[in-house]
Amino acid sequence: NAGVTQTPKFQVLKTGQSMTLQCAQDMNHNSMYWYRQDPGMGLRLIYYSASEGTTDKGEVPNGYNVSRLNKREFSLRLESAAPSQTSVYFCATDRGSDTQYFGPGTRLTVL
Amino acid sequence: AQSVAQPEDQVNVAEGNPLTVKCTYSVSGNPYLFWYVQYPNRGLQFLLKYITGDNLVKGSYGFEAEFNKSQTSFHLKKPSALVSDSALYFCAVEGVGRSFGNEKLTFGTGTRLTIIP
Repeated sequence: NAGVTQTPKFQVLKTGQSMTLQCAQDMNHNSMYWYRQDPGMGLRLIYYSASEGTTDKGEVPNGYNVSRLNKREFSLRLESAAPSQTSVYFCATDRGSDTQYFGPGTRLTVL
Repeated sequence: AQSVAQPEDQVNVAEGNPLTVKCTYSVSGNPYLFWYVQYPNRGLQFLLKYITGDNLVKGSYGFEAEFNKSQTSFHLKKPSALVSDSALYFCAVEGVGRSFGNEKLTFGTGTRLTIIP
Protein backbone atom coordinates (compact mmCIF):
# COMPACT_ATOMS: atom_id res chain seq x y z
CA ASN A 1 0.00 0.00 0.00
CA ALA A 2 1.96 2.98 -1.30
CA GLY A 3 -0.65 5.68 -0.51
CA VAL A 4 -0.04 8.63 -2.82
CA THR A 5 2.88 8.56 -5.25
CA GLN A 6 4.22 11.33 -7.46
CA THR A 7 6.64 11.35 -10.36
CA PRO A 8 9.12 12.78 -11.00
CA LYS A 9 10.69 13.86 -7.69
CA PHE A 10 12.76 16.60 -9.30
CA GLN A 11 12.63 18.36 -12.67
CA VAL A 12 14.44 21.27 -14.30
CA LEU A 13 12.82 22.89 -17.31
CA LYS A 14 13.67 25.76 -19.59
CA THR A 15 11.14 28.52 -20.13
CA GLY A 16 8.59 27.42 -22.72
CA GLN A 17 9.07 23.69 -22.27
CA SER A 18 6.17 21.47 -21.32
CA MET A 19 5.86 18.62 -18.88
CA THR A 20 3.34 16.48 -17.03
CA LEU A 21 3.45 15.70 -13.32
CA GLN A 22 1.94 12.36 -12.45
CA CYS A 23 0.03 11.39 -9.33
CA ALA A 24 -1.43 8.03 -8.40
CA GLN A 25 -3.25 6.79 -5.29
CA ASP A 26 -4.18 3.33 -4.09
CA MET A 27 -6.48 4.52 -1.29
CA ASN A 28 -9.68 4.25 -3.34
CA HIS A 29 -10.44 7.91 -2.64
CA ASN A 30 -12.82 9.85 -4.85
CA SER A 31 -11.22 13.28 -4.59
CA MET A 32 -7.78 14.35 -5.74
CA TYR A 33 -5.99 17.71 -5.56
CA TRP A 34 -2.96 19.53 -6.89
CA TYR A 35 -1.26 22.17 -4.73
CA ARG A 36 1.81 24.29 -5.09
CA GLN A 37 3.94 25.29 -2.12
CA ASP A 38 5.95 28.48 -2.18
CA PRO A 39 7.97 30.01 0.68
CA GLY A 40 5.85 32.19 2.94
CA MET A 41 2.64 31.37 1.07
CA GLY A 42 1.63 27.99 2.40
CA LEU A 43 -0.16 25.64 0.04
CA ARG A 44 -2.36 26.97 -2.74
CA LEU A 45 -4.85 24.85 -4.61
CA ILE A 46 -4.30 24.66 -8.37
CA TYR A 47 -6.96 22.18 -9.50
CA TYR A 48 -9.06 19.47 -7.93
CA SER A 49 -11.17 16.53 -9.02
CA ALA A 50 -14.20 15.55 -6.97
CA SER A 51 -14.55 12.23 -8.76
CA GLU A 52 -13.44 10.38 -11.84
CA GLY A 53 -14.30 12.38 -14.92
CA THR A 54 -14.64 15.76 -13.21
CA THR A 55 -12.12 18.53 -12.65
CA ASP A 56 -12.38 22.09 -11.44
CA LYS A 57 -10.20 25.14 -10.89
CA GLY A 58 -8.75 26.08 -7.57
CA GLU A 59 -7.13 29.30 -6.41
CA VAL A 60 -4.22 29.47 -8.91
CA PRO A 61 -5.11 27.53 -12.11
CA ASN A 62 -3.54 29.80 -14.74
CA GLY A 63 -0.82 28.10 -16.76
CA TYR A 64 -1.90 24.58 -15.79
CA ASN A 65 -4.18 21.84 -17.07
CA VAL A 66 -5.22 18.59 -15.43
CA SER A 67 -6.55 15.19 -16.41
CA ARG A 68 -8.34 12.71 -14.17
CA LEU A 69 -7.44 9.63 -16.13
CA ASN A 70 -9.26 7.20 -13.85
CA LYS A 71 -10.01 6.91 -10.17
CA ARG A 72 -6.36 6.30 -9.30
CA GLU A 73 -4.56 8.89 -11.43
CA PHE A 74 -4.60 12.68 -11.63
CA SER A 75 -2.00 14.46 -13.77
CA LEU A 76 -0.95 18.12 -13.90
CA ARG A 77 0.38 19.56 -17.15
CA LEU A 78 2.40 22.69 -17.76
CA GLU A 79 2.05 23.52 -21.45
CA SER A 80 4.62 26.33 -21.54
CA ALA A 81 6.60 26.58 -18.35
CA ALA A 82 7.47 29.96 -16.86
CA PRO A 83 9.93 30.86 -14.07
CA SER A 84 6.93 31.83 -11.90
CA GLN A 85 5.98 28.15 -11.89
CA THR A 86 9.14 27.22 -10.02
CA SER A 87 7.69 25.58 -6.92
CA VAL A 88 7.12 22.35 -5.06
CA TYR A 89 4.00 20.56 -6.26
CA PHE A 90 1.96 18.25 -4.06
CA CYS A 91 -0.82 15.88 -4.95
CA ALA A 92 -3.36 14.95 -2.28
CA THR A 93 -6.46 12.77 -1.94
CA ASP A 94 -9.43 12.43 0.38
CA ARG A 95 -12.81 10.71 0.48
CA GLY A 96 -14.63 13.92 -0.44
CA SER A 97 -14.55 15.57 2.94
CA ASP A 98 -12.13 15.01 5.76
CA THR A 99 -8.43 14.33 6.11
CA GLN A 100 -6.23 14.78 3.06
CA TYR A 101 -3.29 12.50 2.33
CA PHE A 102 -0.32 13.97 0.52
CA GLY A 103 2.27 12.63 -1.86
CA PRO A 104 5.99 13.30 -1.37
CA GLY A 105 6.07 16.22 -3.82
CA THR A 106 7.77 17.24 -7.06
CA ARG A 107 10.38 19.97 -6.92
CA LEU A 108 10.23 21.91 -10.20
CA THR A 109 12.68 24.56 -11.33
CA VAL A 110 12.02 26.61 -14.46
CA LEU A 111 15.04 28.48 -15.82
CA ALA B 1 -13.75 34.03 1.86
CA GLN B 2 -12.31 31.77 4.51
CA SER B 3 -8.80 32.31 5.79
CA VAL B 4 -6.23 31.03 8.26
CA ALA B 5 -3.59 33.05 10.10
CA GLN B 6 -0.47 31.64 11.67
CA PRO B 7 1.03 34.75 13.26
CA GLU B 8 4.47 33.30 13.97
CA ASP B 9 6.79 32.30 11.14
CA GLN B 10 9.22 30.73 13.61
CA VAL B 11 8.87 29.30 17.11
CA ASN B 12 11.85 28.15 19.17
CA VAL B 13 11.36 26.01 22.26
CA ALA B 14 13.83 24.27 24.56
CA GLU B 15 13.60 20.50 24.66
CA GLY B 16 11.32 19.35 27.46
CA ASN B 17 9.39 22.62 27.63
CA PRO B 18 5.76 22.94 26.57
CA LEU B 19 5.14 24.26 23.08
CA THR B 20 2.31 26.19 21.43
CA VAL B 21 1.86 26.96 17.75
CA LYS B 22 -0.87 29.52 17.16
CA CYS B 23 -3.66 29.47 14.59
CA THR B 24 -6.71 31.66 14.09
CA TYR B 25 -9.30 31.27 11.38
CA SER B 26 -12.19 32.96 9.63
CA VAL B 27 -14.97 30.95 8.00
CA SER B 28 -18.69 31.11 7.36
CA GLY B 29 -20.55 28.68 9.55
CA ASN B 30 -18.94 25.93 11.56
CA PRO B 31 -15.38 24.94 10.70
CA TYR B 32 -13.48 21.76 10.11
CA LEU B 33 -9.99 22.47 11.47
CA PHE B 34 -6.78 20.54 10.82
CA TRP B 35 -3.12 20.52 11.73
CA TYR B 36 -0.54 19.04 9.38
CA VAL B 37 3.21 18.64 9.84
CA GLN B 38 5.88 18.69 7.14
CA TYR B 39 9.37 17.26 7.67
CA PRO B 40 12.17 18.31 5.31
CA ASN B 41 11.71 17.12 1.73
CA ARG B 42 8.46 15.35 2.58
CA GLY B 43 4.77 15.84 1.93
CA LEU B 44 2.38 17.01 4.60
CA GLN B 45 1.27 14.52 7.24
CA PHE B 46 -1.99 14.71 9.14
CA LEU B 47 -1.67 15.40 12.88
CA LEU B 48 -5.18 16.00 14.16
CA LYS B 49 -8.55 17.49 13.33
CA TYR B 50 -11.59 19.09 14.91
CA ILE B 51 -14.95 18.34 13.37
CA THR B 52 -17.38 18.53 16.27
CA GLY B 53 -17.65 17.53 19.91
CA ASP B 54 -14.98 17.97 22.58
CA ASN B 55 -13.04 21.19 22.12
CA LEU B 56 -9.76 19.48 23.08
CA VAL B 57 -8.56 17.24 20.31
CA LYS B 58 -5.71 14.75 20.73
CA GLY B 59 -3.60 13.67 17.79
CA SER B 60 -0.42 11.94 16.73
CA TYR B 61 2.96 12.14 18.51
CA GLY B 62 1.47 13.57 21.73
CA PHE B 63 0.11 16.73 20.11
CA GLU B 64 -3.24 18.25 21.01
CA ALA B 65 -5.20 21.31 19.95
CA GLU B 66 -7.97 23.31 21.54
CA PHE B 67 -10.87 24.68 19.53
CA ASN B 68 -12.01 28.04 20.88
CA LYS B 69 -15.06 29.28 19.03
CA SER B 70 -15.26 32.69 20.68
CA GLN B 71 -11.64 33.47 19.84
CA THR B 72 -11.77 31.62 16.49
CA SER B 73 -8.55 29.87 17.40
CA PHE B 74 -7.17 26.37 17.13
CA HIS B 75 -3.73 26.42 18.78
CA LEU B 76 -1.50 23.36 18.62
CA LYS B 77 0.12 22.27 21.89
CA LYS B 78 2.39 19.65 23.36
CA PRO B 79 3.32 19.37 27.06
CA SER B 80 6.97 18.42 26.54
CA ALA B 81 8.81 19.15 23.30
CA LEU B 82 11.19 16.71 21.61
CA VAL B 83 13.98 17.57 19.18
CA SER B 84 12.20 15.32 16.67
CA ASP B 85 9.20 17.70 16.75
CA SER B 86 11.24 20.22 14.76
CA ALA B 87 9.34 20.69 11.50
CA LEU B 88 7.01 22.99 9.58
CA TYR B 89 3.44 23.04 10.88
CA PHE B 90 0.37 24.05 8.91
CA CYS B 91 -3.09 24.90 10.18
CA ALA B 92 -6.00 24.48 7.74
CA VAL B 93 -9.71 25.24 7.75
CA GLU B 94 -12.72 24.15 5.73
CA GLY B 95 -16.25 25.44 6.14
CA VAL B 96 -18.86 22.82 7.11
CA GLY B 97 -21.48 22.38 4.48
CA ARG B 98 -19.17 23.47 1.72
CA SER B 99 -19.57 21.76 -1.62
CA PHE B 100 -17.21 21.58 -4.52
CA GLY B 101 -17.21 24.90 -6.27
CA ASN B 102 -17.34 26.72 -2.94
CA GLU B 103 -14.64 27.04 -0.31
CA LYS B 104 -12.07 24.28 -0.20
CA LEU B 105 -9.45 23.49 2.40
CA THR B 106 -7.46 26.67 3.08
CA PHE B 107 -3.98 26.47 4.58
CA GLY B 108 -2.07 28.92 6.70
CA THR B 109 1.42 30.01 5.70
CA GLY B 110 3.10 27.66 8.13
CA THR B 111 5.13 27.96 11.34
CA ARG B 112 8.62 26.55 11.57
CA LEU B 113 9.08 24.92 14.95
CA THR B 114 12.63 24.40 16.20
CA ILE B 115 13.27 22.46 19.37
CA ILE B 116 16.60 23.36 20.94
CA PRO B 117 18.45 20.53 22.71
